[in-house]
Amino acid sequence: GQNIDQPTEMTATEGAIVQINCTYQTSGFNGLFWYQQHAGEAPTFLSYNVLDGLEEKGRFSSFLSRSKGYSYLLLKELQMKDSASYLCAVRDSNYQLIWGAGTKLIIKP
Amino acid sequence: SQTIHQWPATLVQPVGSPLSLECTVEGTSNPNLYWYRQAAGRGLQLLFYSVGIGQISSEVPQNLSASRPQDRQFILSSKKLLLSDSGFYLCAWATGDAGELFFGEGSRLTVL
Repeated sequence: GQNIDQPTEMTATEGAIVQINCTYQTSGFNGLFWYQQHAGEAPTFLSYNVLDGLEEKGRFSSFLSRSKGYSYLLLKELQMKDSASYLCAVRDSNYQLIWGAGTKLIIKP
Repeated sequence: SQTIHQWPATLVQPVGSPLSLECTVEGTSNPNLYWYRQAAGRGLQLLFYSVGIGQISSEVPQNLSASRPQDRQFILSSKKLLLSDSGFYLCAWATGDAGELFFGEGSRLTVL
């Protein structure tokens, strides 16, 4: 079966750096997405990786290793507003998105 | 710019009552449209998707149905709600199969 694994919850301190990991086993691969979802709100798109390597976008970066079935989202200079759930999703060979359950990130002052 | 809007945002319905959630997209033509349900602690579950008017694909057998009467309108319905239908429903659109999804605001349904 297809599976996306990410930690359920993480805690970090304001101003610090945190890395949220995502591992996947899917039928084929056509890209990996990261979304941010604040409590009670809809997910918003953060990043997209289809080739190996690091994609940087401001304070957020996303890394992909297709051979390892692994990605991470790196958040720098954490702010209180970064408290949210972070969803990893992989597009399989049928172009269907397979979603992880999300990682709840708690930022402490 | 493209926008997506779904309503109502919140609703509380008794078991056995009907349901209608509506979603509209503006600023794009012929989008792929999706209905997802999100349960606490679980990944997004794809319920229906549509690549064009009148074309609906169902991913999960259930008592829900979807319709796409117009290019940028997607409706989620039920004739008789079950307790298990409670959840957070999200409409989304994408440009084709390979683009990222853009989500509506979400509709929180509580069935009592």
